Order: sequence, then C-alpha cells, then structure tokens
Amino acid sequence: EDQVTQSPEALRLQEGESSSLNCSYTVSGLRGLFWYRQDPGKGPEFLFTLYSAGEEKEKERLKATLTKKESFLHITAPKPEDSATYLCAVKYGGSQGNLIFGKGTKLSVKP
Amino acid sequence: DTAVSQTPKYLVTQMGNDKSIKCEQNLGHDTMYWYKQDSKKFLKIMFSYNNKELIINETVPNRFSPKSPDKAHLNLHINSLELGDSAVYFCASSQAAGQGTEKLFFGSGTQLSVL
Repeated sequence: EDQVTQSPEALRLQEGESSSLNCSYTVSGLRGLFWYRQDPGKGPEFLFTLYSAGEEKEKERLKATLTKKESFLHITAPKPEDSATYLCAVKYGGSQGNLIFGKGTKLSVKP
Repeated sequence: DTAVSQTPKYLVTQMGNDKSIKCEQNLGHDTMYWYKQDSKKFLKIMFSYNNKELIINETVPNRFSPKSPDKAHLNLHINSLELGDSAVYFCASSQAAGQGTEKLFFGSGTQLSVL
C-alpha cells in the first residue's frame, strides 16, 4: 500500500488557469511533508516543508497547505515555466529519517 | 559551482558488468543519500550515510554498495548488473539531523542503461 499518493498523475492547464495538486498520506507520526519540483533531466529541487496541520507556505505562484491527511499545492495563474513534475514526500517515525516520495504530478501549462 | 555533482551523466553497459557512479557535494553537509528513480518516475531511497552510519533500504540487493571515502563523497558501486537495474540514480545531501535535514539537495542524476 502506497504511503504517499499524489493526484492527478498529470494535469494540463492553460496559462492563467489556477488549480491544485493533491498529496495524501497514510503514515503515522508525521515529521514533515515536503514539496519538490523536478524538471526533465534534472534532480528534484526543494520548494516547501510543512510540519503541522493548518500550516501554509507560499512562493511566487505556489502555495502549499497541510491537513492531518493531505497536502495541497495550489498554483495561481500558472505560466508555462511552471511546467514540471511536482513531487510530494513525507518523513515519519518509521522512515529512519528518510524522505518517502509519492509518484508525482506532471504539470503542463500551455501558453 | 554545482552543489551536488555526480558522474557520469549517462552509463550504458552490458549485463553482468560492474560499474560505479561517483557523487560529490561541496555544501559541507553531513548526510548523503542515493535514490533510484524507475521508469515510472517513482523516486525510492536506497541508502543514507551519516557520520559512518549506513542505513540501507531492505529492498536494495546486496549487489549495490555505497562507499564513502570522506564526508563530501558517496560513491555507488554496482556488481553483476541486471536488466532491472536500468533507472536514473540520484545522489543527494542534507545537513545533519536536527539542522533542517528535510531540505535535500539533489544531483542531476545518472541514467543507467543495462543491455
């Protein structure tokens, strides 16, 4: 059973069309939820860390929120350069300090 | 200056061969990792290495062995390569536990193709 599930697998948006990506988790003893961005042919790049339910973080057009069961990455008025795969990861009591990643959401923003 | 660099970028080899991937970080971090990203883009932890303590993901075959000559380097050796080893391998690093270990810095990946 997957511990971290991201949806949708792929999302196509028009430039300026706001939307949200979902990351749900089933682990207990959450120590942090993380969002990364991965461009083709590159390693993931850190975006946000969230630690407790109700916490929010923002960076440019991105806003990450966290509840007790899931996190959302809201993208407001996206631009083509926001196209990438967005990865969610969790660290919890049983992960030995390691990040456990979801399978990602591939976002395409068309001009 | 690249923070986490790994070589080679591409590695094509025959089944049964032994190969190594090198990784170096210039961030002064204490912990380094190897992740494997399969064809479905699923990123899975293989090893973490911190102050000579190695934590191994139990699903990793013992044909894979990390070697750390010093704190800034963590190389990955793979013996008797199999077709299923084909994937992209990422090296990463972070600060020591309790100092924001969550922020991983990744290398650009090594695409391994086993023929």
